Amino acid sequence: EVQLVESGGGLVQPGGSLRLSCAASGFTFSSYSMNWVRQAPGKGLEWISYFSSSTSTIYYADSVKGRFTISRDNAKNSLYLQMNSLRAEDTAVYYCAREGQVGTTNWDWFDPWGQGTLVTVSS
Amino acid sequence: EIVLTQSPGTLSLSPGERATLSCRASQSVGSSYLAWYQQKPGQAPRLLIYGASSRATGIPGRFSGSGSGTDFTLTISRLEPEDFAVYYCQQYANSPRTFGQGTKVEIK
Repeated sequence: EVQLVESGGGLVQPGGSLRLSCAASGFTFSSYSMNWVRQAPGKGLEWISYFSSSTSTIYYADSVKGRFTISRDNAKNSLYLQMNSLRAEDTAVYYCAREGQVGTTNWDWFDPWGQGTLVTVSS
Repeated sequence: EIVLTQSPGTLSLSPGERATLSCRASQSVGSSYLAWYQQKPGQAPRLLIYGASSRATGIPGRFSGSGSGTDFTLTISRLEPEDFAVYYCQQYANSPRTFGQGTKVEIK
């Protein structure tokens, strides 16, 4: 069974840092590009970061560029998101999501998604 | 950035009825670079449709997608109790990939 499990969320003060992890299983992790997508409480979905499978190409949404860093460890089947200089508006459930197709060089849909981990930025 | 606008915001229907959800893009997303997701409270989004009209693995036949260019539709032919949820469209023609604001399908 393909599975993504996020961890590392919690309560952090404005300006603080947090590192999220996503453990993948049930598929060849190194063959897929991966993403982080977030959802603020009661709001819609926002893609925030991408890490390609083969070229190590990385992209960020403007809203997190310069503050967040995506990384992956294919040996550990894991994706990470280092979040620095956190703001109240970063409060959200953070989802790890796989690209829809293996080895694709184009943009794709997201499938599957992890269950999410809640990050709350508040003093 | 491509903006996706979903309508209506809320759809109040009874089980057994047909649901028609709309997703309009601010510029063309091509013939097929659109996906639909279902999200229930406290759960992650689940892929329903990709390529505008292809059902994802395990998705029942009552879900269908259509459209191209800037106008897309998700149709649920006969609502089952488990279909009451929020539905999002997403475009993957351009970066950044963007989502609509969602349509809530609620029990009337």
